[in-house]
Parts: sequence; structure tokens; C-alpha cells
Amino acid sequence: SQELEQSPQSLIVQEGKNLTINCTSSKTLYGLYWYKQKYGEGLIFLMMLQKGGEEKSHEKITAKLDEKKQQSSLHITASQPSHAGIYLCGALYSSASKIIFGSGTRLSIRP
Amino acid sequence: DAMVIQNPRYQVTQFGKPVTLSCSQTLNHNVMYWYQQKSSQAPKLLFHYYDKDFNNEADTPDNFQSRRPNTSFCFLDIRSPGLGDAAMYLCATSRGQQETQYFGPGTRLLVL
Repeated sequence: SQELEQSPQSLIVQEGKNLTINCTSSKTLYGLYWYKQKYGEGLIFLMMLQKGGEEKSHEKITAKLDEKKQQSSLHITASQPSHAGIYLCGALYSSASKIIFGSGTRLSIRP
Repeated sequence: DAMVIQNPRYQVTQFGKPVTLSCSQTLNHNVMYWYQQKSSQAPKLLFHYYDKDFNNEADTPDNFQSRRPNTSFCFLDIRSPGLGDAAMYLCATSRGQQETQYFGPGTRLLVL
């Protein structure tokens, strides 16, 4: 089974609607990154969470890490075409570990 | 603006013909990484440099090599590309080993 799973794999949302993407780990996280990737391009850093219960926001994007530090959600409010892309979570399992990335959630925004 | 630059953005090579991908950074970060990302898959770490110290992932094929001649530049050499090596290659940098990684735009490699 996968160490890190993202859901859903893909999502189509009407412009203006809210949406949530989830990232679930089979092990307790040391830290969790969220990145966005446009098709054929590199990853853009969004946020990093480390403390249980932590929540961070940037513009209309909010990310939370649960108290048990095994699940994170990314919530977009009032989605816009510019939010379209692939959202990847990346897990750190210790202070000395590499980032393990999820397979991503492909988000499309319908006008 | 400080950034991570990858050249070329697209590279076409022939089966078995050596190819070099390049990455440069103006962030003055200590750590540079190379990832391979195949279609609809997660980026997979190939290796990273902490300053001049090279760290190879255990499952990175011997066909892949890397050089870091100075702080700003890092190269990925694929000695004998196979069809299975066609992928997006991403370079990233971070100030320290456990700090946020910043990615370049990637080089898409096609092997004919």
C-alpha cells in the first residue's frame, strides 16, 4: 500500500465554488508540504505545515494538518481559473528524511 | 529575481546517446536536488548535493550521474538514455537539507 495518498486523483469544479483536496499518510508526519504544478512545468511552493492542528492560509488557499499529524487538507475558496493545475503534497517523516511526494490531484476549473 | 533555471526546457535525444541537463540557481542555496517525474506520477528523487557532498538514492540507476562544479550549477548526465528514461527532470534547491525546496521549470526529455 502507498505511504502517502492524495484524493481525489482529479477534480473538476465550477468557477466560484469551493473545493478540498486531501493528503493522507500511513505514518505520523514530521512535516507536510503543499506544492502546485502547472502542466509541463516545475513545482511552486505553497505552504509547509509542521505542528499538529496547524493551519496556514495564502490568498484563497488554506491548508490544515490534523492533530494526529497523519492527514492534511487543502481548501480553495471561490475557485478561479488560475487555481487550475496539479496539487502535490510532500511528506517529511523525520528531520533527516527526504520529501516523499504524493501522485497529485489534477484540478480543472470550469468557467 | 532569484530563481532556479533549467536548460534546455525540452531535449530530444536518441536511444543510447549521452545527454546532459543543466540547472543553475541564483538563490545561493547549499543543497541542489534532481528529480525524475514521469507522466501522472510523483516526482522521484534521484540524488542531491549538500555543498560538494554527493548523495545518491539507493534505487537511482548507474546510468544517471551528476556533477556540481560550483554552488550555482548542477548537471544531470544520462550516459545511455533508454526509452524508459523519457520524463520530466526537475531541479530543486534549498538553503539547508530540511528546508523548503524551490523548483526550476523542468526539462522534458524525449528519447527516440
